Amino acid sequence: DVKVTQSSRYLVKRTGEKVFLECVQDMDHENMFWYRQDPGLGLRLIYFSYDVKMKEKGDIPEGYSVSREKKERFSLILESASTNQTSMYLCASRPDRVKSYEQYFGPGTRLTVT
Amino acid sequence: KQEVTQIPAALSVPEGENLVLNCSFTDSAIYNLQWFRQDPGKGLTSLLLIQSSQREQTSGRLNASLDKSSGRSTLYIAASQPGDSATYLCAVSNQAGTALIFGKGTTLSVSS
Repeated sequence: DVKVTQSSRYLVKRTGEKVFLECVQDMDHENMFWYRQDPGLGLRLIYFSYDVKMKEKGDIPEGYSVSREKKERFSLILESASTNQTSMYLCASRPDRVKSYEQYFGPGTRLTVT
Repeated sequence: KQEVTQIPAALSVPEGENLVLNCSFTDSAIYNLQWFRQDPGKGLTSLLLIQSSQREQTSGRLNASLDKSSGRSTLYIAASQPGDSATYLCAVSNQAGTALIFGKGTTLSVSS
């Protein structure tokens, strides 16, 4: 079974803190994604990566950065957390950029910024 | 820009009923469509993936259909059970390997 894990289920941080959200997949998938999910807005893409050291902006990259130093790990970084970044963060992965495969999600991290 | 809409936003049915969830998308040039289930506070579980060349996919009591020309997909759930209560999300991919574009979901409640 494909497994996508996220470092924390719940996280509480203070405004201005630097926050790291980690995502690891164990199926050697090339593609990895970070979304945030908010009531009434649905899932929105923050960043994605097709390969190690590659990254591309999604729909709402402002205030975020990412890092992919190893194929299995994709990190989302909040450089200076703000209250409007309180949200559910979901990581996903899928194999192969060219072919059509399912996208698999992690359990999510509920981040609260106070 | 691709937009995905799911109607209704919420649905309540008694146990045993057959039901249909609807998904529509504005740009018919999709690569594939995926249906997910999300339980409260949890991540997304993939239910069915339909390639653009396919008309339907089935898994157990679930059947998903795709009509690209009209920009619609339906998820049919047969003989609903309380355990089916969850939010169902529809998502499309415009190109191979690209990120999914999601609808806002239909929250289903099945009462026993």
